[in-house]
Amino acid sequence: AQSVTQLGSHVSVSEGALVLLRCNYSSSVPPYLFWYVQYPNQGLQLLLKYTTGATLVKGINGFEAEFKKSETSFHLTKPSAHMSDAAEYFCAVSAAGGTSYGKLTFGQGTILTVHP
Amino acid sequence: DAGVTQSPTHLIKTRGQQVTLRCSPKSGHDTVSWYQQALGQGPQFIFQYYEEEERQRGNFPDRFSGHQFPNYSSELNVNALLLGDSALYLCASSSQETQYFGPGTRLLVL
Repeated sequence: AQSVTQLGSHVSVSEGALVLLRCNYSSSVPPYLFWYVQYPNQGLQLLLKYTTGATLVKGINGFEAEFKKSETSFHLTKPSAHMSDAAEYFCAVSAAGGTSYGKLTFGQGTILTVHP
Repeated sequence: DAGVTQSPTHLIKTRGQQVTLRCSPKSGHDTVSWYQQALGQGPQFIFQYYEEEERQRGNFPDRFSGHQFPNYSSELNVNALLLGDSALYLCASSSQETQYFGPGTRLLVL
């Protein structure tokens, strides 16, 4: 079984400030980890993913995340927030194999607000 | 190259009715997954289709059923609609581990 916990349902930052969105996961098998962004009334857009290899992964729009197995975390960061980053962000996990392969389990989401 | 497309974009039904939602995957993708996203929540996995068969299923009742066609497109059917079925229904397609989502169909059950 897999689960995802996103700490903080709402995060507010000033434009130009560091963005840090927290994600912790639980998985009984090696995980694949994803961050998606959702703008109002739209579907989900893939920001970045970790499957294997380098634990620091870079995504679109300047976002990056680091897979830390010992902490079961996959936090999302961006050095400098932009107004256009305001959206809802979802962390998701799937199994790298086994019977749950291909099923994404999502966190509850974090709404990011960016103030001018 | 078109991404994942879904139809219709919006739908209003009444309790007890049946609904069919449609999804066309990205070119080259052979696997389609369906998710339900209630307001203010993360998406919940309904089921996944591969080679025209249901490969995995989440914790949803049998009122939710699906189909995948030889061209990999897919349908989600919901029978005996309940008020609680009101949600955004998302389709995702994949060829390996990464799923790409469509814009969703927003279903309102009155």
